[in-house]
Amino acid sequence: EVQLVESGGGLVQPGGSLRLSCAASGFTFSSYAMHWVRQAPGKGLEYVSAISSNGGSTYYANSVKGRFTISRDNSKNTLYLQMGSLRAEDMAVYYCARGPSGFDYWGQGTLVTVSS
Amino acid sequence: DIQMTQSPSSLSASVGDRVTITCRASQGISNYLAWYQQKPGKVPKLLIYAASTLQSGVPSRFSGSGSGTDFTLTISSLQPEDVATYYCQKYNSAPPFTFGPGTKVDIK
Repeated sequence: EVQLVESGGGLVQPGGSLRLSCAASGFTFSSYAMHWVRQAPGKGLEYVSAISSNGGSTYYANSVKGRFTISRDNSKNTLYLQMGSLRAEDMAVYYCARGPSGFDYWGQGTLVTVSS
Repeated sequence: DIQMTQSPSSLSASVGDRVTITCRASQGISNYLAWYQQKPGKVPKLLIYAASTLQSGVPSRFSGSGSGTDFTLTISSLQPEDVATYYCQKYNSAPPFTFGPGTKVDIK
């Protein structure tokens, strides 16, 4: 059974940092590009970041470019999102998701709250 | 970047009604279009990919069509369990795999 399990969310002060993890199981993790999507409270889905199957290519939305870093460890079947210089507008539920033809599997989401 | 729009932003229909949601891409994306259903407090669920291919386990009352820039999601007979927000997403070539703003569907 395919599973994606996020962790690492929590309360952080503005300007702070947080690292999200997404542990994958039930499929050959190293064969898939992976993605981060976020959803602010009461808002729609926002595509945040992507990484190719071997980690060689990455993408960032303009809203997070220069502040967030996506990475993966294929030996540990884990996807990461290092978030820095956090702002109030980064507060959201963060989902990891698997492609490639649409996102067929999503994690349960992890809530990031940015507040002083 | 390609922008995705959806219409309407919300709709209210009766049980058994046929419901159609439209998604438009600002540039052609062939058939690289997915539809998702998100119920309140839940994780988005893939309904349709490649514009018209039903994901395994999705009821056949859901269907998708379109190519290029204009796409539709149709619910042939609305059921109470279909109350949700529906999102389209383009996934052609490279990221960003942008989502539409969503269409909220409820029961009249």
